[in-house]
Amino acid sequence: NAGVTQTPKFRVLKTGQSMTLLCAQDMNHEYMYWYRQDPGMGLRLIHYSVGEGTTAKGEVPDGYNVSRLKKQNFLLGLESAAPSQTSVYFCASRSQSIRGYTFGSGTRLTVV
Amino acid sequence: SQQGEEDPQALSIQEGENATMNCSYKTSINNLQWYRQNSGRGLVHLILIRSNEREKHSGRLRVTLDTSKKSSSLLITASRAADTASYFCATSREGGSTLGRLYFGRGTQLTVWP
Repeated sequence: NAGVTQTPKFRVLKTGQSMTLLCAQDMNHEYMYWYRQDPGMGLRLIHYSVGEGTTAKGEVPDGYNVSRLKKQNFLLGLESAAPSQTSVYFCASRSQSIRGYTFGSGTRLTVV
Repeated sequence: SQQGEEDPQALSIQEGENATMNCSYKTSINNLQWYRQNSGRGLVHLILIRSNEREKHSGRLRVTLDTSKKSSSLLITASRAADTASYFCATSREGGSTLGRLYFGRGTQLTVWP
């Protein structure tokens, strides 16, 4: 049982490039979340999804887009990367009945 | 902001001592959760306490919740070097359309020296 898997683990982008971060969970969880973690800022919610085909904005959605075409996958896209998007990105999921989140191991993204 | 705030920001103790971390928040909550994050890793769920509960135990962990003061504490007894990590509290707001969203604090960095 892999839990929540994030790919890639590390990535360096040039300003203006685009990329997609993939999150996959094998626990049949309904809810999925994308957070970013910056030093001294804690975790801030970017986007989230309460089910296949649905997405919603979190606290810091600007510059990001998401898609949840399949229940097990939640994709985070950066259309035109900026240095301010240098961060560690975490995906998490939970079921409707269990309130605790299961986190992936993170993607460290650097935009130069 | 609903975001929880942990106190202290950093805590350094010897193995065998107890570690206490505090969390304060501003709005009414449905539940409060504590997570641990080892360096370079994802967060791991430790314990959840509901708004109608006052105390909860899990192994060496003891969590208290005081909704009148909007605060919670996490006690780790008989700490070990392996407990070295960052600890985050996260709150879930009552009802509304937040759909289980969690609001995280900035964390307490705990260092346990052998």
